[in-house]
Amino acid sequence: EDQVTQSPEALRLQEGESSSLNCSYTVSGLRGLFWYRQDPGKGPEFLFTLYSAGEEKEKERLKATLTKKESFLHITAPKPEDSATYLCAVQAGNTDKLIFGTGTRLQVFP
Amino acid sequence: NAGVTQTPKFRVLKTGQSMTLLCAQDMNHEYMYWYRQDPGMGLRLIHYSVGEGTTAKGEVPDGYNVSRLKKQNFLLGLESAAPSQTSVYFCASSYDPRLYEQYFGPGTRLTVT
Repeated sequence: EDQVTQSPEALRLQEGESSSLNCSYTVSGLRGLFWYRQDPGKGPEFLFTLYSAGEEKEKERLKATLTKKESFLHITAPKPEDSATYLCAVQAGNTDKLIFGTGTRLQVFP
Repeated sequence: NAGVTQTPKFRVLKTGQSMTLLCAQDMNHEYMYWYRQDPGMGLRLIHYSVGEGTTAKGEVPDGYNVSRLKKQNFLLGLESAAPSQTSVYFCASSYDPRLYEQYFGPGTRLTVT
């Protein structure tokens, strides 16, 4: 069964304290792995798509990486405005659907 | 360019009442999706559509119906609401999910008492 697990469930960081969020997956034939950001009371906002092991993508303080079993979202020197829930989703090769993890709630304190 | 819009934003229903949630997108996307989001459960797919006039079941379709009469609109119906359908509902659309990401609407918070 296709599955996505995110850890930790919640993460509290001091401003400037770098860390990583984990997304481990089991899927038959990965077509793509997606990272989204979700602010309270809003819909998910697309961040990155990764397609193959070894691929990396960056956007401001965020960097996403992919291996054959997991993806990491690295946050370098976070700011309070990075506080949000980060969602990971995978798409299996034979479907048009995404399978979402339950997310990591990140809080960054000044 | 409004992207994906949802109406209403909030709704309170009594058990047994019916309602329709409307999703509209102005990006000419073929694929549209309805999800529900519950604490600790993540986003779960209810129904989806791969083009005008088509619909398909997702992970949790029971108690819901959908229609895609126009390419830009995707309607989610609850015929007889139950407290278990209290949730936040998100609509999403995509040009081609095999190549492109999904764009999400702002959500509808539904409470069934």
